[in-house]
This record gives sequence, C-alpha cells and structure tokens, in this order.
Amino acid sequence: GAVVSQHPSWVICKSGTSVKIECRSLDFQATTMFWYRQFPKQSLMLMATSNEGSKATYEQGVEKDKFLINHASLTLSTLTVTSAHPEDSSFYICSARQDTEAFFGQGTRLTVV
Amino acid sequence: DAKTTQPTSMDCAEGRAANLPCNHSTISGNEYVYWYRQIHSQGPQYIIHGLKNNETNEMASLIITEDRKSSTLILPHATLRDTAVYYCIVRVRGGSWGKLQFGAGTQVVVTP
Repeated sequence: GAVVSQHPSWVICKSGTSVKIECRSLDFQATTMFWYRQFPKQSLMLMATSNEGSKATYEQGVEKDKFLINHASLTLSTLTVTSAHPEDSSFYICSARQDTEAFFGQGTRLTVV
Repeated sequence: DAKTTQPTSMDCAEGRAANLPCNHSTISGNEYVYWYRQIHSQGPQYIIHGLKNNETNEMASLIITEDRKSSTLILPHATLRDTAVYYCIVRVRGGSWGKLQFGAGTQVVVTP
C-alpha cells in the first residue's frame, strides 16, 4: 500500500508555544488529507479535511484558529497547534487519500507541559 | 455512513483463529464494510474490505452475511503481534468520500 509519513513521531512543548506536525505522502500525490486526534483510551476523532490549494474544512467543535492546517503541495499537509495548552496533549494522526482508499501516518504524540 | 456495533474486547490464544463480529444492521446497498486495526501508539492499518462476497487476503478473511447486516473478521492464526484495537467501518466507496468515522472498536488481546 501507499506510504504516509508523519514528523515528528513525538514532541514535547511548553504551554503557550506552537507546534507544527507534518504529514507527507511519500509515493503518491494526495489532494486530500485528513487530520485526526486521539485521546488516551478513546477512538480517533476527525478534526479536519485538508485540501490542496484551498482552505481546510473543520469538524464541528474544532477551533480553526487554534489548529492551523496548510496543504500547500500534493504531498504535504501541516497541522500547527497554536498556543498549545496541556489539554491539547494527544495523539495526532493524519491520513491521505489515494483513489478510493485512505492510508494513515504513524501518528504524532504531543505532550504539552 | 451506517453505524456499527462491536464487542468491547476479546481475548484469543496464540495460534488459534480470532473471530471478530460486527453488526451493521442499517447498512445501505452501496456501502462497503472495511476493517482497520490500530496497534498501540501507531496509526490505523488497513486490513480488508468487502461489499457482498466473502473476501480473503494475506492478513485476514471477511465473512459478510447474506443480508449484509453483520460481518465477521477472521484472523486465521493469531499471533502476539495481532494484539490491537480492531475497527469495523461501513462507508461508501469512491466519489467524494474521505472521512472515516471510527467507533470504539474491539480490543483484541492475543495471549501465549
């Protein structure tokens, strides 16, 4: 299957700072990518749909000014958590769509201290 | 997308077959049954999908009932590395689809 890579795998940041997470499709072009968040012992929750060259579409309850998404190329989408707080600590996962299938990155563990 | 119901957890002995059930009684005619799994602290991994017929690949088999209201994922010879949360998702394939709605899934623990 196609490969989706996230970077970094884990990050620790101080409260109030911003963190950028990258999602890359390594061997295919993805016009659409998705960002999910997963809290401990919970399932994945879709945060937003990232479309290359246009604004992201956010799910209800997700603050677009806090979670900035940029999809500037067909192989890269970034999620920036701005002014991070401890409650933003979570496992962030991206997926990229190729044809009719979705391929997931390995996830990024964010810890805000 | 149709809603699915799965058992919360399941234990399985190493080397034995693991049968994971999923109910999707409101499935529509154009919706597929997909299975993913998530090993701890990793992203979800695609396993298999099907529409009506039973399917088999190198990882698992998928048995869909004739009325399509339920299905079973079969891991033929479970190994310790199969310990994961297994998600059954029903969705339309193709078109402008994209969002995957994950339920709680089934936590499968394979024991020696």
